[in-house]
Amino acid sequence: DQQVKQNSPSLSVQEGRISILNCDYTNSMFDYFLWYKKYPAEGPTFLISISSIKDKNEDGRFTVFLNKSAKHLSLHIVPSQPGDSAVYFCAASDLGSNYQLIWGAGTKLIIKP
Amino acid sequence: DSGVTQTPKHLITATGQRVTLRCSPRSGDLSVYWYQQSLDQGLQFLIQYYNGEERAKGNILERFSAQQFPDLHSELNLSSLELGDSALYFCASSTYWGAANEKLFFGSGTQLSVL
Repeated sequence: DQQVKQNSPSLSVQEGRISILNCDYTNSMFDYFLWYKKYPAEGPTFLISISSIKDKNEDGRFTVFLNKSAKHLSLHIVPSQPGDSAVYFCAASDLGSNYQLIWGAGTKLIIKP
Repeated sequence: DSGVTQTPKHLITATGQRVTLRCSPRSGDLSVYWYQQSLDQGLQFLIQYYNGEERAKGNILERFSAQQFPDLHSELNLSSLELGDSALYFCASSTYWGAANEKLFFGSGTQLSVL
């Protein structure tokens, strides 16, 4: 039973355009959401996060939107750059399980020049 | 460089064997987490240690065990290995006990292949 779902295994976007990565969740006890980015042969690195009391958080080219009623969050990257090509993981902090992080399967983002 | 060191980077072994994966957290971090990533899967949380004590347990098999030593490095022991245990094992660390907004810092992983 996947509590955090990233339904697009991969996404291809033209350099300079907007990349939108989506994540759906099922557990209403999730209170904090994080995005991590992973390059090949490296571990994931933290990118941006959002508390469940907010609906938007912005950090430079990266913006995360949270729609609690739809149990959906998205990561927007504007403009997309070649260095953004990586696997992006969505993770949710489970208040009901001692803040254990529940991870999606990841979306591979490919930025085309 | 995240500051988290995992050794070895690659490990090839046979079914039924036992292996030990090692992790050194970032300097000053008190928590160590172990994750398993199988092919095309998300990261599955295995276990967390905070300052030497087990703090949280995920879907860790009974054949697997871990510990955190006084110098805060951690080892993950995998025994009676099966083909399905082949995966990328990540270690991560965080400063404190793992509050919702705490960032995790990951090592580059140990790729385990069970033949």
